[in-house]
Amino acid sequence: QVQLVQSGAEVKKPGASVKVSCKASGYTFSSYGISWVRQAPGQGLEWMGWISVYNGNTNYAQKLQGRVTMTTDTSTSTVYMELRSLRSDDTAVYYCARDHLGWFDPWGQGTLVTVSS
Amino acid sequence: QTVVTQEPSFSVSPGGTVTLTCGLTSGSVSTSYYPSWYQQTPGQAPRTLIYSTNTRSSGVPDRFSGSILGNKAALTITGAQADDESDYYCVLYMGSGIYVFGTGTKVTVL
Repeated sequence: QVQLVQSGAEVKKPGASVKVSCKASGYTFSSYGISWVRQAPGQGLEWMGWISVYNGNTNYAQKLQGRVTMTTDTSTSTVYMELRSLRSDDTAVYYCARDHLGWFDPWGQGTLVTVSS
Repeated sequence: QTVVTQEPSFSVSPGGTVTLTCGLTSGSVSTSYYPSWYQQTPGQAPRTLIYSTNTRSSGVPDRFSGSILGNKAALTITGAQADDESDYYCVLYMGSGIYVFGTGTKVTVL
């Protein structure tokens, strides 16, 4: 079955970077892009950006431009999301989701990133 | 900046019907935005309910339906059940892999 499995929880200090992975299985990896979505504690869902696995094209949310980078490794069917210069308000659960260019399905299980000194 | 609005909360009786909406602060929502809807319970990843305005995702009961009502996208739950108590988010697709999430609606069944 189609599945996205994310890496485990991370604790980082302010100013550090975090890299979260999302390993896909059950489908042709290059046929779909991946979007990343995050959710701060008690808050709503926020779209962060999209990467085309086919050609590596990306689009990032304006507020994260310059701090986020999404990459792919086709040899392992894995997508990575790196967020730099972490702040306390980056504390959130980060989700990857298979992108159908219009909607998302399925979703990864989520990765909690905690930013704390 | 595009802002997508949803009602903050709704309460529905078991067996009742509730319609959630998804609008734009400026402009109308049309099928061209491919509105989709997601259900989320606390501590869980979102679950895809509806995509491309009115197509139910695999395994989603037919008590969930999507539509365009006036200038907004809408999600209707007909015959609400206790386990429909969740947060619901709409998403609009802006093209080129760019999306905007709605603010979310908390649905209580009581």
